[in-house]
Amino acid sequence: KAGVTQTPRYLIKTRGQQVTLSCSPISGHRSVSWYQQTPGQGLQFLFEYFSETQRNKGNFPGRFSGRQFSNSRSEMNVSTLELGDSALYLCASSLGRPGYEQYFGPGTRLTVT
Amino acid sequence: AQSVTQLDSQVPVFEEAPVELRCNYSSSVSVYLFWYVQYPNQGLQLLLKYLSGSTLVKGINGFEAEFNKSQTSFHLRKPSVHISDTAEYFCAVSDDKIIFGKGTRLHILP
Repeated sequence: KAGVTQTPRYLIKTRGQQVTLSCSPISGHRSVSWYQQTPGQGLQFLFEYFSETQRNKGNFPGRFSGRQFSNSRSEMNVSTLELGDSALYLCASSLGRPGYEQYFGPGTRLTVT
Repeated sequence: AQSVTQLDSQVPVFEEAPVELRCNYSSSVSVYLFWYVQYPNQGLQLLLKYLSGSTLVKGINGFEAEFNKSQTSFHLRKPSVHISDTAEYFCAVSDDKIIFGKGTRLHILP
């Protein structure tokens, strides 16, 4: 079974630009979660999508948004990039019920200059 | 609201020595508990999980963890570490959503 894939793996953007990251979950997984990982703040939850609906949301500004398609693939978008948005963005998929573990992709390393 | 506290941000340990990485959680309901590992430049992968039943849980790579409900702890242990265990370890708690701790970096000293 193929794992979670994320594209692109690396990205360099300029302040003020916007960016879209993509995540393809494991086949059969309907839940996709997004996390931001930085050295200072650790792993922070952005949002979770389940069957195309946002089910949970973390404490991030509205510049961070996401969506999920009918095939469970998900995208997250960050508008008006700031230097502090530089981070590793991780996507994780699961069956979506409590107790089921999350399977993580390798992440997208975003650098904002 | 649930939360997870990993008491040590970094743990140095000599190769072949035992190690314990500490994790405490708080939750008002029954929870599921996980330990994940992140090797350099990779995503997280599951080491082990506690759902119910036996409080001693065995995982991959020789790791195990013990669920202690009275102390609300889920500490991770390995009797003898190897240089390849150098990584960051995350404890997580889940009821309707999963919450991760801030991670503990394990440094293996030669």
